[in-house]
This record gives sequence, C-alpha cells and structure tokens, in this order.
Amino acid sequence: NAGVMQNPRHLVRRRGQEARLRCSPMKGHSHVYWYRQLPEEGLKFMVYLQKENIIDESGMPKERFSAEFPKEGPSILRIQQVVRGDSAAYFCASSPDEDGYTFGSGTRLTVV
Amino acid sequence: GENVEQHPSTLSVQEGDSAVIKCTYSDSASNYFPWYKQELGKRPQLIIDIRSNVGEKKDQRIAVTLNKTAKHFSLHITETQPEDSAVYFCAASNGGRRALTFGSGTRLQVQP
Repeated sequence: NAGVMQNPRHLVRRRGQEARLRCSPMKGHSHVYWYRQLPEEGLKFMVYLQKENIIDESGMPKERFSAEFPKEGPSILRIQQVVRGDSAAYFCASSPDEDGYTFGSGTRLTVV
Repeated sequence: GENVEQHPSTLSVQEGDSAVIKCTYSDSASNYFPWYKQELGKRPQLIIDIRSNVGEKKDQRIAVTLNKTAKHFSLHITETQPEDSAVYFCAASNGGRRALTFGSGTRLQVQP
C-alpha cells in the first residue's frame, strides 16, 4: 500500500498564476481531506470530499480556491490567481469509513 | 465551531525524563482526539488517539488521558529519547463532521 500520494512535492508559482495540487488517497479510502499549514503553525482544515461530492468546505476561502474528487483520478485542490499569502504546505489526508487519518507528504507551495 | 488550545508551545526535557503536553477543547460534542507527531519538513503522523468513551489509552511509552467533564486531554511520553524530538499536535473532532481542529503545536526537544 503506497500510502497517500501527493504531487508535486514542491511547487513555485508567480503571483497571478494557477496552482494545481493532486492527491491520491490510500487504497480502500473513500474520504479525502485537505489541510493548509502556514510556517510555525498548526494545520487548518479546508475541505472534506468523497467521490464526486464536496461534503464540508467550511474551511475553504470563498474566492480563488476550489477542490474536486472525481469518479476517476486523484483529488485536485486548485488555487487561482495565487498571492504571496497562499505560500504554505498543503496536506491531503485520507481515511476509511471510520476515524483515523493518514496524511500525505504534502505540497509546499511558494508564490514569488 | 471547535477551538483547541495547546500548551506549552515549547518543551525541553532531558533524555529519560517524562514529557506532558496538554490540550483543551471547547465543543462538548467532540468525541475523537488524535495526537500527531511532525518532524521538520515531513508529514504529520498519527501516534495515538482516544475516543470519548475511554478515559485513558497507552501504547508503550506513550499515553493519552481524557477528561470529558473538564474538556481537556493530555499526551504523556515516558523515558524520552532524542528521536522523540519533533512538533506534536493535538486535535479534536465531532465524529459526525470528521474535520479535525488542530492545536497550535508543541515543539519538544529531548536533550541527550
């Protein structure tokens, strides 16, 4: 079992560009979560998805951010028109039906 | 929504001593309390978790206690070793909602 796979590990974008982060959950896990971690801070919940459904997006900024988990393929977190404040580590996690997350290794986004 | 406070923010102990990290939560509906260890530049890793129907749980040198009445839970690490040095995060969730609310983290340093 390869674990939760995130790519890319590092992503550099210029202000105004789009960032696209991918997450493949562990085999058998149908729940996917995205969290953001600013330097020296804890993780902040962004969105919880199941296949083709957004279950809870209460932590997502209202503008520029979107997430999807299509029937086929990885979950995608998309950030449009990135700004310097979007620089952070973005972690994806997956779980089976019960509690107990497994986190991926994260994507470190740097906006220059 | 849920608010989780974590103390201390930094903790330095001598190898072999015990370390205790404390968290309080605000939402009485929270019923799942995991602890994560994060080494520099790496993903958070689940080290132990407890559910609200249990008061204490142990796994070798690690134990977690939960006081539902006072709404606080603690992580205890005995016989600390240098490899225990990392940032530790507590978290809480209402199982029905699944999103985790994290504390701000404790940087534990074990001096050899």
